[in-house]
Amino acid sequence: TQLLEQSPQFLSIQEGENLTVYCNSSSVFSSLQWYRQEPGEGPVLLVTVVTGGEVKKLKRLTFQFGDARKDSSLHITAAQPGDTGLYLCAAQNNLFFGTGTRLTVIP
Amino acid sequence: NAGVTQTPKFQVLKTGQSMTLQCAQDMNHEYMSWYRQDPGMGLRLIHYSVGAGITDQGEVPNGYNVSRSTTEDFPLRLLSAAPSQTSVYFCASSPRTSGRVRGETQYFGPGTRLLVL
Repeated sequence: TQLLEQSPQFLSIQEGENLTVYCNSSSVFSSLQWYRQEPGEGPVLLVTVVTGGEVKKLKRLTFQFGDARKDSSLHITAAQPGDTGLYLCAAQNNLFFGTGTRLTVIP
Repeated sequence: NAGVTQTPKFQVLKTGQSMTLQCAQDMNHEYMSWYRQDPGMGLRLIHYSVGAGITDQGEVPNGYNVSRSTTEDFPLRLLSAAPSQTSVYFCASSPRTSGRVRGETQYFGPGTRLLVL
């Protein structure tokens, strides 16, 4: 049983489109992290959210932590080819990782 | 700083062989960990260490041993490799601060791809 479920598993969109990916669980977490991983490399931390309802922005990326601290979303505005990669969520200080969303942005 | 380094980048083993995956960090981080990444499974924690001389098991520790004799190094040993251990292995490190810490920044190495035949 996967503690963190991410959806969609795969996403292919055109450059300039908006998208949202989700990270859901039935458990409550004290913190949740989002990473991006490119082929042949390790994951790189994008953001950490710790407060229920918290919203953080990183340029065109908006991260939200659910009010109940069980879920999170990542919204990308005007996606660019450089956003292509595997997006992973992690919880409880990186003890648990989701299965990831593989995003492809087509020029 | 080189950050987190891992060697080798690729390795092919036969069933029953042993090997050690090396991991080193030059950031003076107290916390180090090993993950494996398999398709459709995400990253799963194998072992971790909160400081030199202290190690503990993660989610999937069976078949793996670790030791932490120095702050910088955290090798992962496969004593008798099995095909089920075919995976990509990532080492990571993060600093520790006193008190309750949430959401520490964790730095990952580039990974070791292991194929067990």
